[in-house]
Formats: sequence, C-alpha cells, structure tokens
Amino acid sequence: DQQVKQNSPSLSVQEGRISILNCDYTNSMFDYFLWYKKYPAEGPTFLISISSIKDKNEDGRFTVFLNKSAKHLSLHIVPSQPGDSAVYFCAATVGGGKLIFGQGTELSVKP
Amino acid sequence: NAGVTQTPKFRILKIGQSMTLQCAQDMNHNYMYWYRQDPGMGLKLIYYSVGAGITDKGEVPNGYNVSRSTTEDFPLRLELAAPSQTSVYFCASSQTHYEQYFGPGTRLTVT
Repeated sequence: DQQVKQNSPSLSVQEGRISILNCDYTNSMFDYFLWYKKYPAEGPTFLISISSIKDKNEDGRFTVFLNKSAKHLSLHIVPSQPGDSAVYFCAATVGGGKLIFGQGTELSVKP
Repeated sequence: NAGVTQTPKFRILKIGQSMTLQCAQDMNHNYMYWYRQDPGMGLKLIYYSVGAGITDKGEVPNGYNVSRSTTEDFPLRLELAAPSQTSVYFCASSQTHYEQYFGPGTRLTVT
C-alpha cells in the first residue's frame, strides 16, 4: 500500500518558467510533509516542509501548497533554473514519527 | 564538520557473502536511519535508531541487522547476500524525525 504517491516520474520545464511537482497521500493522519531534492550520486537534501495546520509555506523560489481535503500537496519552483534539475521526493509523517517517501519525480529544467 | 559519511561507496558481493555498510555522523544527532532505494522507487526504511543501544525495524528489515553502540555510528549488516538486496543504501541522521541529513549512499550489487 503506497501511502505517498508521486504519479509523474518525470517533468520537463523551460528555464524561467514555473515547475509544479505533485504528491498525493492516502493517510489522513499525516500531519507534517516534507520535500527532499536529490542530485545523482548524492544523498537527498531537505528542501522545504509544511505542517498540516497550514496550507502554504514559502522559502525563496520554493513554495509548498497543502490541500488536506484532496490529500494533495504540490511544490512550486518559480522561476526554474537549470540547477534545479534533480529528483524530488515528497515525504510525510504522523506525529513526528518515521518518514514515508513517495517514488520521486525527476525534474529537468532546460536552458 | 563532515555530516553523514558512508563507506564503501560501491561494492559487489557474491550471493551468500556478508558485509557491513558503515555509517557515521558528527552532528550529535540522536536519530539514525538506514534506507534503500530501488530504481523508480522511493526510499524504504530498513532500520532506525533513536539513540545508542536502541534500534527498531522499519518497512523492509528482512535480511539485515543493525547495532548502535555509540551516538556517532550505525552500521548495517547484510548476512547471506541475495540479488534482491541489490540497491543503493542511504544512511541518515536527525535531531527529530523531520529534517533528516543523508549520506552520499552505497551502491551495492549482489551477483
């Protein structure tokens, strides 16, 4: 049972445009969500997070939106840069417990 | 400050062999984790530890063992390696479960 799903394995975007990465979850008890970014041959690095009591969190070019009724979150990157090309994982947790990761979406930002 | 370090970077094992993947962190984090990532899949938790002397199973613990004798080190032991254990292994640490810091990974092939 995949509790956290990223249904798009890949996404290609032009430099300067918006990148939107999506994530769906099934467990309504999840109360904290995170996005991690992973470059080839490196470990994932934390990018941005959001608590379930909020519907938006912003950090520079990165914004995460949470729609609890739809059990959906998204990561917006504006403007996209070639250095943003990486695999992005969403993750979720209940009460500060273990993280459950999605399968990842590979973002390619073309110059 | 090296963060999370993992050795070796690459390893090829024959079926039935054993090995230990090393992980160390210098951030004085209480929590440490072992994940595996298979192609096109997210990170699956193998084992985790909330402090020295305390370990617990994650989603996919079969075929692995861990120990945590110090805060800094969290080795992962593979006994009787099988082709299904071919994967990339990531160690991570954190002060809470939320923002985990990952090592660079160990790419293991079992043939």
